[in-house]
Amino acid sequence: KNEVEQSPQNLTAQEGEFITINCSYSVGISALHWLQQHPGGGIVSLFMLSSGKKKHGRLIATINIQEKHSSLHITASHPRDSAVYICAVARGYQLIWGAGTKLIIKP
Amino acid sequence: EAEVAQSPRYKITEKSQAVAFWCDPISGHATLYWYRQILGQGPELLVQFQDESVVDDSQLPKDRFSAERLKGVDSTLKIQPAELGDSAMYLCASSPEVGEQYFGPGTRLTVT
Repeated sequence: KNEVEQSPQNLTAQEGEFITINCSYSVGISALHWLQQHPGGGIVSLFMLSSGKKKHGRLIATINIQEKHSSLHITASHPRDSAVYICAVARGYQLIWGAGTKLIIKP
Repeated sequence: EAEVAQSPRYKITEKSQAVAFWCDPISGHATLYWYRQILGQGPELLVQFQDESVVDDSQLPKDRFSAERLKGVDSTLKIQPAELGDSAMYLCASSPEVGEQYFGPGTRLTVT
């Protein structure tokens, strides 16, 4: 079993839909990262969480440390949100990466 | 807002040639990472520096790859000779403290 599990693996939705991507982990962590990668592009950090909830624009990230679970939400999704979203957990200075969720938003 | 800088953004090189990538971390970040991301896969840590010292290079193919961070600030990753399988995105990240990493835009390498 992988130490970081993301679901779903692939997600296709219509523009305007509310999107949820989930991340579960099985190890002790110091922080959890949500990252975005557009096709052929580099990695962009969206959020770093150690507790609670963070919001940036249409993006919201939550983490439940007791349940070892985090969610990334996108409100009013737009085709430009189409990308791979990656959950990565920090153990000390190292990151353990999830497999990513490929999101496609259709106009 | 301070960012991790990388250059070049794109590099095309022929097999057996030497290639080098440069990374300038966010000022004050003591820890620097080089990752390799093959298309369709997650990033793989190649090397981690703490100041000028290598902390982890267990996944660095040392027969052809080298990395240095001489003054504990910017860093260079070199491949010599390049092979077709080295085509990938090379990502640099820096960290001010445990748990945090900030990524640069990456260098996309194509070996022909």
